[in-house]
Amino acid sequence: GAGVSQSPRYKVAKRGQDVALRCDPISGHVSLFWYQQALGQGPEFLTYFQNEAQLDKSGLPSDRFFAERPEGSVSTLKIQRTQQEDSAVYLCAGAPDPNYGYTFGSGTRLTVV
Amino acid sequence: KNEVEQSPQNLTAQEGEFITINCSYSVGISALHWLQQHPGGGIVSLFMLSSGKKKHGRLIATINIQEKHSSLHITASHPRDSAVYICAIRTGNQFYFGTGTSLTVIP
Repeated sequence: GAGVSQSPRYKVAKRGQDVALRCDPISGHVSLFWYQQALGQGPEFLTYFQNEAQLDKSGLPSDRFFAERPEGSVSTLKIQRTQQEDSAVYLCAGAPDPNYGYTFGSGTRLTVV
Repeated sequence: KNEVEQSPQNLTAQEGEFITINCSYSVGISALHWLQQHPGGGIVSLFMLSSGKKKHGRLIATINIQEKHSSLHITASHPRDSAVYICAIRTGNQFYFGTGTSLTVIP
């Protein structure tokens, strides 16, 4: 595709519900980042993939957060037993090379009620 | 401690004004990005810099690696430039983001 596609664009979840957020990067983008952006804040790092390898997951806030990229392309960020503090915009960014040319998706806005 | 500091946090300008947004950082970087975020959360990457200066249309970005400082300039500002502008640095396998500068351009 022409850009990084994230879906759904908006998600409302009831507290305790599991959610799955999808990031479809540009073909050939080996590097993929997930970020969490709370209202009024800058994005905070969650996790980083190089192809299918999750090289850094130090930003995942709890064991309720899980990310995967099994075939080195599409990535899914899963949040189990959502809580209100999980409400944020979740951003995905990809690049063909770790040091160059990052493209950001438009984000998924998650609201937990 | 914030690795990236932006100023100002909020900026209101009259249409046509020249605008400058500043970004300072405290760690060694491999690249610095300027991002534009519109209401609703969508992010557009404006520039990636590792040295010098880049220009795209009315936007100019500069970086001084020695001083660990970057600026984003908007010439002849327009209401459609109203957005949050975010500075992000890349170091190692991580990005660090500033909290953004909220720009409002009044007709």
